[in-house]
Amino acid sequence: KQEVTQIPAALSVPEGENLVLNCSFTDSAIYNLQWFRQDPGKGLTSLLLIQSSQREQTSGRLNASLDKSSGRSTLYIAASQPGDSATYLCAANNAGNMLTFGGGTRLMVKP
Amino acid sequence: DGGITQSPKYLFRKEGQNVTLSCEQNLNHDAMYWYRQDPGQGLRLIYYSQIVNDFQKGDIAEGYSVSREKKESFPLTVTSAQKNPTAFYLCATSPVGSTKKETQYFGPGTRLLVL
Repeated sequence: KQEVTQIPAALSVPEGENLVLNCSFTDSAIYNLQWFRQDPGKGLTSLLLIQSSQREQTSGRLNASLDKSSGRSTLYIAASQPGDSATYLCAANNAGNMLTFGGGTRLMVKP
Repeated sequence: DGGITQSPKYLFRKEGQNVTLSCEQNLNHDAMYWYRQDPGQGLRLIYYSQIVNDFQKGDIAEGYSVSREKKESFPLTVTSAQKNPTAFYLCATSPVGSTKKETQYFGPGTRLLVL
């Protein structure tokens, strides 16, 4: 059974820093790896989806990488802003768009 | 969360009571999902449906029931058998039930509290 772990659970950084969020998964037979953002008390918003055949995806200041062989994905946020403060969740898709979620990283960017 | 509505935003349940959470979508998506989120944790799958009149149990289906009579609607009932129902409940949809390329789209959630 797929297990997804995110480290760290919480992170606080000053505005402007570049930062990396980590995601690891136990079953490398994934279709894709997805990153979501969740604001407090809200639903999830999809940020990036990396297919199993891809190494990375970029959207604006966000870059996500995937290493299937080591069971790892990272989300890189460049030049962080207070508006980036949220919880970031990764999810592994093993079959039929069934997602297994990590516990999330709660990010706070201080002005 | 455009196109997916969940109601109510907050729901209070009394001891021994069944309550129903609504999820409606106008995205014409085939698949719909229900997740539970506990504080500081990720999402766990309760039930999912890939087609009308069919649904499957997820990882934590005990104490919950669903129906899928219409493509647009996938209500979740939290029964009295669910002893710890306090959580944030999220409904999601996706265009096709089995695909490698599509993400899931989430509603705004319902917070269930026990009185």
